Amino acid sequence: KNQVEQSPQSLIILEGKNCTLQCNYTVSPFSNLRWYKQDTGRGPVSLTIMTFSENTKSNGRYTATLDADTKQSSLHITASQLSDSASYICVVSRFTGTASKLTFGTGTRLQVTL
Amino acid sequence: SAVISQKPSRDICQRGTSLTIQCQVDSQVTMMFWYRQQPGQSLTLIATANQGSEATYESGFVIDKFPISRPNLTFSTLTVSNMSPEDSSIYLCSVERAGAPSSYNEQFFGPGTRLTVL
Repeated sequence: KNQVEQSPQSLIILEGKNCTLQCNYTVSPFSNLRWYKQDTGRGPVSLTIMTFSENTKSNGRYTATLDADTKQSSLHITASQLSDSASYICVVSRFTGTASKLTFGTGTRLQVTL
Repeated sequence: SAVISQKPSRDICQRGTSLTIQCQVDSQVTMMFWYRQQPGQSLTLIATANQGSEATYESGFVIDKFPISRPNLTFSTLTVSNMSPEDSSIYLCSVERAGAPSSYNEQFFGPGTRLTVL
C-alpha cells in the first residue's frame, strides 16, 4: 500500500533554534518527493522537490534530504523564525504510466515561539 | 509558477443544500485537480478535471455527490451536493506545471475553501 508517514506529529521550538522533520514512505514506483509548507487557512506551497538521483536540496533556510534506499526523507529548518509556524507536508509522487499520482503525509505541525 | 484563486474562501451551509466552489488559474493548464482536506488529515484527491472531457473520480468519490465542470483551460468548479456535516472540510483546487528539470511536474495549490456544514 502506498503510504507516507511523518514524524513528529507536532513540534514546538524556540525562535532561532533548528529542527528536523522526518518522512518515511512506501510509495512505488517512486518518481519524486516533495515538501510543502501549509500556513493555517492557506493552500500548500512547495519548498523542495527531489528526484531519485538527488539526495539533498536547499531552499533558503530549508534543507531536504532523501535516502531512496531506505525510503526516508528529512526537512531541516535552520534558525527558525516565527513565520515558520505552519504544517509541513511530505508528498511522494509515483508515475502510473498515464499520470502522476501524489500520496500525502498527514503533516508535522510546527509552532515557533518566542 | 501558477496563481490560483478560489471562491468562496469559506462558507457555512445548511444540511441538504449544495455549494459550488470556483477555481480560476492565471494561465492555461491541461489538468486541474480537486482535493479535500478534512480536519487534521492529509489531502485526499477527489477528482482530476481535464478540459473537454468528463472528470476522473478517485475511489470513494462519485459524480452525483461532487459534480465538476471544466469549461475552459483556466477555470473549473466543484459542487458539493446534498451536504451533510461529514462534508465539512477544506476543498483545494490544484494545477500541475512542468518543472525544471523536466523530469517532474510541479503542483500548485489554491488557497482553499473552508466549508462548514451545520
